[in-house]
Amino acid sequence: GQQLNQSPQSMFIQEGEDVSMNCTSSSIFNTWLWYKQDPGEGPVLLIALYKAGELTSNGRLTAQFGITRKDSFLNISASIPSDVGIYFCAGPLINYGQNFVFGPGTRLSVLP
Amino acid sequence: DVKVTQSSRYLVKRTGEKVFLECVQDMDHENMFWYRQDPGLGLRLIYFSYDVKMKEKGDIPEGYSVSREKKERFSLILESASTNQTSMYLCATLRDRASYEQYFGPGTRLTVT
Repeated sequence: GQQLNQSPQSMFIQEGEDVSMNCTSSSIFNTWLWYKQDPGEGPVLLIALYKAGELTSNGRLTAQFGITRKDSFLNISASIPSDVGIYFCAGPLINYGQNFVFGPGTRLSVLP
Repeated sequence: DVKVTQSSRYLVKRTGEKVFLECVQDMDHENMFWYRQDPGLGLRLIYFSYDVKMKEKGDIPEGYSVSREKKERFSLILESASTNQTSMYLCATLRDRASYEQYFGPGTRLTVT
């Protein structure tokens, strides 16, 4: 079935640094979604990408839909302590209805 | 704002007990989902529902059942809890099949001893 891989699995960065993470699949996706989960909460959608090559920003966050449609990237600029959490990529499954597959997540820690 | 609430944040149950996890949403969304979240595995879909009294199996339905008697409420049932069902359980909603943004509840951390 369709599966997503994320790297890195976890990262520790200094406050103010930029962050890059990616999500890859062996299958093509027509939509890429990036969610963030704060500690003790449910995931919240950050960015949705609908077209190959698309680059979309949401404040300090920028995400790109890979040209091959098999990957996506998320960058965070000038990290702050509240960026701490788990970042998930997700994509809709190509079957009946609206169902999604999630990556295993990248856990981000920001050191002051 | 969409609000998705789950009946408990933390729950401790014994092996063999029947466990009910409830999810309620206030935005009239058609679709509701139950996921479990385990470290390193991400979110895995247990069951979902597109309408009242309608349910579909997800990737890992074994040991679980669901009930959707009213549009706003979606219940996950562990018929006979086992220790390998210790996990974080997340409920989510989706406005309709043309949507992509899921709204998640805060999660229920279930421990089965």
